[in-house]
Amino acid sequence: GIQVEQSPPDLILQEGANSTLRCNFSDSVNNLQWFHQNPWGQLINLFYIPSGTKQNGRLSATTVATERYSLLYISSSQTTDSGVYFCAGDSGGSNYKLTFGKGTLLTVNP
Amino acid sequence: DSGVTQTPKHLITATGQRVTLRCSPRSGDLSVYWYQQSLDQGLQFLIQYYNGEERAKGNILERFSAQQFPDLHSELNLSSLELGDSALYFCASSVGSAGELFFGEGSRLTVL
Repeated sequence: GIQVEQSPPDLILQEGANSTLRCNFSDSVNNLQWFHQNPWGQLINLFYIPSGTKQNGRLSATTVATERYSLLYISSSQTTDSGVYFCAGDSGGSNYKLTFGKGTLLTVNP
Repeated sequence: DSGVTQTPKHLITATGQRVTLRCSPRSGDLSVYWYQQSLDQGLQFLIQYYNGEERAKGNILERFSAQQFPDLHSELNLSSLELGDSALYFCASSVGSAGELFFGEGSRLTVL
């Protein structure tokens, strides 16, 4: 199956800083999504972004499907941005199995 | 609120026991997915149902089974529980057989 590698594994920021999280895939990827798991364990949809660029407030994401990677940008980070960020995708075909990366643990300090 | 409802939120049981986790998908969604999240394995896909039928299978143990009912809610049955089954179990749903997934808040299972 498809392999998903996320970097960095851990990131510590001061409030107000910007960051870029990366997701690499071992094969061509479909249905790429970004999620935020907050400290209470909830998995929250950030972006469904098979290709192109999307923005939602301080967050934006870019997927370059031909090069098998996606980037998540967080600007002017806030303490509420803390948590684990996951990307996930599937390799297509008849069976839809979304494979998750190990995540990036983001800590935003006040 | 994603619109996906999972019950119970927390469950503590003993080894060898059987539990049932329940999931109601978002209104209009036909697919239900089950995922297991543990510290050592991360988020693992277990199984998918689409409109009542099994669609895809992942790393689901033989001791585990699931089904999707005509009203589209789903249940995940875990039997002969072992300590290693302690994990957060997520249900997700999507409109079609693929596409954007929306996750419930999870059911945290502790096996003692």
